[in-house]
Amino acid sequence: EIVMTQSPATLSVSPGERATLSCRASQSVSTNLAWYQQKPGQAPRLLIYGASTRATGIPARFSGSGSGTEFTLTISSLQSEDFALYYCQQYNDWWTFGQGTKVEIK
Amino acid sequence: EVQLLESGGGVVQPGGSLRLSCAASGFNFRSYSIIWVRRAPGKGLEWVTGFRGSDGTTYYPDSADSVKGRFTISRDISRNTLYLQMNSLRAEDTAIYYCAKASGEIGASIYFDYWGQGTLVTVSS
Repeated sequence: EIVMTQSPATLSVSPGERATLSCRASQSVSTNLAWYQQKPGQAPRLLIYGASTRATGIPARFSGSGSGTEFTLTISSLQSEDFALYYCQQYNDWWTFGQGTKVEIK
Repeated sequence: EVQLLESGGGVVQPGGSLRLSCAASGFNFRSYSIIWVRRAPGKGLEWVTGFRGSDGTTYYPDSADSVKGRFTISRDISRNTLYLQMNSLRAEDTAIYYCAKASGEIGASIYFDYWGQGTLVTVSS
């Protein structure tokens, strides 16, 4: 099983600042990597697939990069609605998720 | 608009059974796989079982704590609804259960493009 490790577990950021979330795979997943956002009581929402392609309707302030084993999700200027839990997921070999990064207001 | 709505969660005793439903709309139910994913308290997301829309094949993880043999999927095409029958439930099955539409069919490199809001299953005496 491919293990996905996200860091940090919690990220404290002020509105308007940049947030950088990391995700590492225990073996190469090529660019078969997705990012999801989840808010309390809501369904997870797909943000990024193919490591860097924004899903439909996702604002341009969200960007993804990386390939192989190292990936990054960047939120260029945090808005109030962006404070949430973020998961990475590999879909190269079935599916496994990271433990999540909580982005909270500083 | 794609929508997925889970229902059927609740409190059940260890060894008991529960049937979850996933009502889907806004896409061709027979052309996409649907995956059940759960999140246990204090843990991350874990896929539980997957169902291929085109031929009804069901898939399970190879992990030691897989639900294979206890959980089964069925489908009512007329209702665009998928069911997850959960038997011999254990305390460790306590979780929020989500159904998610995949971007294609199992067998390709697919991710989950739409999710339901989840239904809570609590296994406790």
